[in-house]
Amino acid sequence: GQQVMQIPQYQHVQEGEDFTTYCNSSTTLSNIQWYKQRPGGHPVFLIQLVKSGEVKKQKRLTFQFGEAKKNSSLHITATQTTDVGTYFCAGREASDMRFGAGTRLTVKP
Amino acid sequence: DGGITQSPKYLFRKEGQNVTLSCEQNLNHDAMYWYRQDPGQGLRLIYYSQIVNDFQKGDIAEGYSVSREKKESFPLTVTSAQKNPTAFYLCASTQGPKSNQPQHFGDGTRLSIL
Repeated sequence: GQQVMQIPQYQHVQEGEDFTTYCNSSTTLSNIQWYKQRPGGHPVFLIQLVKSGEVKKQKRLTFQFGEAKKNSSLHITATQTTDVGTYFCAGREASDMRFGAGTRLTVKP
Repeated sequence: DGGITQSPKYLFRKEGQNVTLSCEQNLNHDAMYWYRQDPGQGLRLIYYSQIVNDFQKGDIAEGYSVSREKKESFPLTVTSAQKNPTAFYLCASTQGPKSNQPQHFGDGTRLSIL
């Protein structure tokens, strides 16, 4: 069955450093979604990528979908303390959607 | 404001007891989902419902049951058959059945064993 692997599991950065989390699927995805969960909160939708090679930006966040539609990445430029939380990818294949285990980001001021 | 309301926020279960987690949405969404979140793991799908009076098992349905008698409500019962129920439970919804639209989540219920 479909599996979605996400790395790293944890990332601790100094404020101002960049951060990247990677998502890899064992199968070709129809789309991929990214969510952010603040400590003690619930996942909140960030973005959806659909097309092969797609790149989308939201301020300091850059999302990429691989050419083969099997991998994706989220890159944050110049992290801020407000970026702390766990970032999840969720890959959809046909009618099934699978969440990655998430990357927990902590930022030292 | 429209949204998803989960209650209670914290719940304690005794051995052999069934407990029910509430999930109500006023978004007029067709599909609703229940996920379990454990530390260091992603969200795992327990059950989902695409339409009233219909629901399907997810990846970890054993020890759980649901009902969907109303569009707005999708309660989850954690039965005594679920031997390791301690987790954070999240309810979500999407506008259409199994749609590609984003999932809207409630604030979650944290279940612990007494």
